[in-house]
Parts: sequence; C-alpha cells; structure tokens
Amino acid sequence: GAVVSQHPSRVICKSGTSVKIECRSLDFQATTMFWYRQFPKQSLMLMATSNEGSKATYEQGVEKDKFLINHASLTLSTLTVTSAHPEDSSFYICSAREGDYTQYFGPGTRLTVL
Amino acid sequence: GESVGLHLPTLSVQEGDNSIINCAYSNSASDYFIWYKQESGKGPQFIIDIRSNMDKRQGQRVTVLLNKTVKHLSLQIAATQPGDSAVYFCAEFWASGTYKYIFGTGTRLKVLA
Repeated sequence: GAVVSQHPSRVICKSGTSVKIECRSLDFQATTMFWYRQFPKQSLMLMATSNEGSKATYEQGVEKDKFLINHASLTLSTLTVTSAHPEDSSFYICSAREGDYTQYFGPGTRLTVL
Repeated sequence: GESVGLHLPTLSVQEGDNSIINCAYSNSASDYFIWYKQESGKGPQFIIDIRSNMDKRQGQRVTVLLNKTVKHLSLQIAATQPGDSAVYFCAEFWASGTYKYIFGTGTRLKVLA
C-alpha cells in the first residue's frame, strides 16, 4: 500500500512554545489529508480535514487558532500546535486519502509538553 | 473472554484459537467499512475493508462480516498468533462531503501463549 510519513516521531517541548508536525504522502498525491488526535487507551478523534490549496475544515470543539493546518502541496500537510500546554500532550496521527475511499495513516507523532 | 478495561474492552484468546472482534457502527448510510490494527506507539495499519453492498469479505487469515440490519461489523482472525496482539479499530466511511472516517472505540486483543 501507499506510504505516509510523519516528522518528527517524538517531540518534547516547553509550555508556551509552538510545535510543527509534518505529514507527507511519499508515493502518491493526496488532495485531502486528515489530522487525528489520540489519547492513551482511546480511539482516534478527527481534528480536521486538510485540503490542498484551501482552508482546513475543523471538527467541532477543535480550535483552529490553536491547531494551524497548512496543506501547501499535494504531498505535504503540516499541523502546528501553537502555544502548547501540557493538556496538548497527545499522539497526533495524520492520514492521506487516495481515491474516494482509502486513507493511509502515518506512524504518528508523540507530543509531550512540559 | 471479554472484559472492559480502563477505556478499551479487552479480548483474551489462546494462541491458535480464532478471535472475533465486534463493532457497532452509527450511521445506516455509511457505505464503506475498514478494520485497522494499531500496535503500541504506531499508526493504524489497514487490515481489510468491505463495501456496504457485501456482507462478507475474506483476506489472509481474516474475515470481515457486515450486518447492515443491526449495524454490526465483525472481524474474525483465524489461528490467532502472538503478533496479532494489538488494538483493533473499526471505521465507517461517512460520505457527507468531507469523506471522513469515524472510528469505533477499539478492542485490545491479547494473545495468550
């Protein structure tokens, strides 16, 4: 299947700093990418849908000024957690859509905010 | 047997036995369903999918069953192996214009040697 990468895989930052996470589709073009958040022992919660060349669509309850999404090319979407706080510590996972139905997931990024 | 853990229900099976993991989905209009396997600290890995016009689909050692009447999905793993230990999620595809997946709560599968 298609490959999606994320960088970094782990990041530790101080409270108040911003962190950028990259999501790349390596062997296919993705007009749509998705960002999920996962807390320990819980399911994946969709945060936003990232569309190439247009604004992201955020799920209810997700602050768009807090979680900035940029999808500047068909193979790259970035999620920036601004002014991170300890409650933002989580596992962030992206996926890229190929065709109408299939999503391929990245390996995830573990964010720890001290 | 099944037990409810902190947040994830857990299914414990003996190595070599068959496993059945169940999922209830929410939207009767969903037309595509997927099972994912997630190992600790990793992203979800595709296992098998099924369209709503089918009620059964088989892969290598895995079978997915779809019962649209009661909105129920199941994943059967034959001859369960230690490497099958992971959390399994079902996802339904909700074509409401944003093409987003809605994930179920997940089930932790523990394979006992």
